[in-house]
Amino acid sequence: GQQVMQIPQYQHVQEGEDFTTYCNSSTTLSNIQWYKQRPGGHPVFLIQLVKSGEVKKQKRLTFQFGEAKKNSSLHITATQTTDVGTYFCPSGANSKLTFGKGITLSVRP
Amino acid sequence: NAGVTQTPKFQVLKTGQSMTLQCAQDMNHEYMSWYRQDPGMGLRLIHYSVGAGITDQGEVPNGYNVSRSTTEDFPLRLLSAAPSQTSVYFCASSYSGSLYGYTFGSGTRLTIV
Repeated sequence: GQQVMQIPQYQHVQEGEDFTTYCNSSTTLSNIQWYKQRPGGHPVFLIQLVKSGEVKKQKRLTFQFGEAKKNSSLHITATQTTDVGTYFCPSGANSKLTFGKGITLSVRP
Repeated sequence: NAGVTQTPKFQVLKTGQSMTLQCAQDMNHEYMSWYRQDPGMGLRLIHYSVGAGITDQGEVPNGYNVSRSTTEDFPLRLLSAAPSQTSVYFCASSYSGSLYGYTFGSGTRLTIV
């Protein structure tokens, strides 16, 4: 099945800095979803990308699907303490999503 | 709509006891899944279902049973609780097709002593 890698597992930034993380796959993806889980909370669906090169924005968050549909990026402009949490890009068929460890973002105020 | 409702929110069990974690959704979603989350391990898929009467195993199914007699409900049964099953359990549901994300319940924090 499709396997998406997120590296590193942890990242620390100063409040106000920009932050970018990537999800990479060795195979072509049909689509990619992003989720955010706040500390102590449950995962929340953020967005789905389907088309090659697709870019979607949600306020300070920008999501991009690679031209070859093998990678995706999440860029956060001017991070805030509210951005703290773990971001997942699960892989697999929609009926059987596997989430992995995600990337945990901490923000120093 | 209530979304995905999980009960109980917290539970302490003794080793060897059995219990059922409840999950119900009111969105008429075909897909439902159970995940467990342990520190540093991310979310791991236990069992999933693509519709009433259809279930299948995920990454870590041992020690757990599921059934899906209705579209709304997807209970997770621990047959004989072990300390290794101490975890936070999340139920999630989604429409079929590739265009929709999953809605998660707020989780059940389970401790096996």
